[in-house]
Amino acid sequence: EAGVVQSPRYKIIEKKQPVAFWCNPISGHNTLYWYRQNLGQGPELLIRYENEEAVDDSQLPKDRFSAERLKGVDSTLKIQPAELGDSAVYLCASSPGRGGETQYFGPGTRLLVL
Amino acid sequence: GENVEQHPSTLSVQEGDSAVIKCTYSDSASNYFPWYKQELGKGPQLIIDIRSNVGEKKDQRIAVTLNKTAKHFSLHITETQPEDSAVYFCAARNNAGNMLTFGGGTRLMVKP
Repeated sequence: EAGVVQSPRYKIIEKKQPVAFWCNPISGHNTLYWYRQNLGQGPELLIRYENEEAVDDSQLPKDRFSAERLKGVDSTLKIQPAELGDSAVYLCASSPGRGGETQYFGPGTRLLVL
Repeated sequence: GENVEQHPSTLSVQEGDSAVIKCTYSDSASNYFPWYKQELGKGPQLIIDIRSNVGEKKDQRIAVTLNKTAKHFSLHITETQPEDSAVYFCAARNNAGNMLTFGGGTRLMVKP
């Protein structure tokens, strides 16, 4: 069974540029999460989807971050414009049911904003 | 909200020795506690988890203990091997069951 797929794996951009990350969860997993992981820290939740509905986006900086999960399968996270402080690893995870139990993580996208 | 603290931040052991990582949480209603292993350049991988109705769980060389009264849980790795070297994260699920809060991580180094 394929795991969570993310692309790109690495991205280097200049500040004020837009950037987008893509995630394809494990087949059949209804819940999808986007996390941000700063260097030397644990993942922090940005947004959680139940199917196509964003049910928890309280930690998403809505002035520059947006996300969508059309058709309740794959998802895109966008930053526009990017700032220096956005440099981090962006992790996508999925789980088969509601809630936070047994989340499976993708390899992440490492973003560097110059 | 939930707050999870993890100690130590770094741990170095000799191959074959045991390693213990400890976490405390603040929300007494949290009921699910997973542990993740993250290798360089990869996403976190679940290695073991425990629910609040269980005090201890073991899987080969890995065990987790939970003390609900004290609100702390620990990861125990016995007979450590160089391939155990990684960053380990503990997490707690909140009462509503919809969010994991992670600790700050422990970098484990197993010296051959």
